[in-house]
Amino acid sequence: EVQLLQSGPEVKKPGESLRISCEASGYTFTRNWINWVRQMPGKGLEWMGRIDPTDSYTNYSPSLQGHVTLSVDKSINTAYLQWNNLKASDTAMYFCARTHTSGWVDFWGQGTLVTVSS
Amino acid sequence: EIVLTQSPATLSVSPGERATLSCRASQSVSRNLAWFQQKPGQAPRLLIYGVSTRATGVPARFSGSGSETDFTLTISSLQSEDFAVYYCQQYNNWPPETFGQGTKVEIK
Repeated sequence: EVQLLQSGPEVKKPGESLRISCEASGYTFTRNWINWVRQMPGKGLEWMGRIDPTDSYTNYSPSLQGHVTLSVDKSINTAYLQWNNLKASDTAMYFCARTHTSGWVDFWGQGTLVTVSS
Repeated sequence: EIVLTQSPATLSVSPGERATLSCRASQSVSRNLAWFQQKPGQAPRLLIYGVSTRATGVPARFSGSGSETDFTLTISSLQSEDFAVYYCQQYNNWPPETFGQGTKVEIK
């Protein structure tokens, strides 16, 4: 059974750094891209970017490039989303999601709530 | 960037009735379009991919149609568990793989 297990909720201050994780199981990690999707409070879904676990090749949404970093650790089947300078506007639920080999997103993590407040 | 516009924003439907949701793309996405369902406090769930193929375990009352720029998700007879927000997503041109803004299906 494919599962994506995300790390727990975080509360941070503006300017702080943060890395959240998404641990994959039930399939061969390097066969599928991992996407990250943001959902701000009361709003819709926003695709942030994705990473190929095979070689860490990434695509970012133009609106977010430079503000977040995607990475993976193949040895532990885990993908990461990282910020170096959090802003209050980063407060949101963040989902990781797997891309099927034919292109669509098929499985989702349960989400990680990130709250940034002074 | 391809923009997906969903309509209506909110759809009020009685249980047992039919619901028709629309998703329009700013340019062709061929057949690379998916639909997701999201309930409050939950992650989205894949319903449809490739415009019209139901994902594993999705009831037959959900169907998708369309091509190029105009797409429809139809729920033939709404059940109580179908009241949720529905999103379309294109995976034809990226980055980014854009989502529509969502249609909320609520009880009338």
